[in-house]
Amino acid sequence: GQNIDQPTEMTATEGAIVQINCTYQTSGFNGLFWYQQHAGEAPTFLSYNVLDGLEEKGRFSSFLSRSKGYSYLLLKELQMKDSASYLCAVRDRNYQLIWGAGTKLIIKP
Amino acid sequence: SAVISQKPSRDICQRGTSLTIQCQVDSQVTMMFWYRQQPGQSLTLIATANQGSEATYESGFVIDKFPISRPNLTFSTLTVSNMSPEDSSIYLCSVELGEGGNQPQHFGDGTRLSIL
Repeated sequence: GQNIDQPTEMTATEGAIVQINCTYQTSGFNGLFWYQQHAGEAPTFLSYNVLDGLEEKGRFSSFLSRSKGYSYLLLKELQMKDSASYLCAVRDRNYQLIWGAGTKLIIKP
Repeated sequence: SAVISQKPSRDICQRGTSLTIQCQVDSQVTMMFWYRQQPGQSLTLIATANQGSEATYESGFVIDKFPISRPNLTFSTLTVSNMSPEDSSIYLCSVELGEGGNQPQHFGDGTRLSIL
C-alpha cells in the first residue's frame, strides 16, 4: 500500500529553526507538496519539490531525496503564527495525491 | 490562485437527514475534489468531480451516500445523505488551477458538520 509518515507533533521555540520530516512509500512519484493548515482552517500550499535538492521560499525551505523517499520542511526564525499543522502530500504514478496525517507544530515563546 | 467559496461553513444536523454542500470557484477549472477530514486526521479523498462526466469515487465512498453534481466549470455540490454521527467531520472542496503534476490543490474554507 501507499504510505506517508510524519511525526505527529513537534514543539519549538520562537526565533528558532525546526525541521519537519516526511518519508513516503508510494506507487511511483510525480512530486511532493507541503501544506500549512491552521486550526479550523483549510490547508494552504507552501512548496513543491519534484527534483532532488532544496527549494527555498523566504523563511521556509523544502528538501527532497527521491532515492531515499524523504523530504523535510525547514522553518527558520519561527514566529508564533507558524503554530499550525504541516501536511506532506505525494503525487503517485496516477497523479493522485496521497496525504500524510500532518505534523502539529507548537511554538513556545 | 483562486477564490473558492464553500457553503455552509458549518451546520448541525439531525440523524437521518441530508445536507448539500456547495463549492463555487471564481475561475473555470477542470478538476474539483471533495475531501473529508476528521479531527487530527489526514485528508481523505471522497471523489473527483470533472465537468461533463460522472464523479469518480474512492474506495469506501459510494454515490448513494455522497452524490455529487458538477453542472459547470465553476461549481460543484456534495450531498451527505442519511447522515449518522459517524459523518461528523470537516468536508473540503479543492481545485487544481492548471494541468500538470506540479499544480497544487487549492482548498475552500471547509464545512464543519456535526450530526446529533
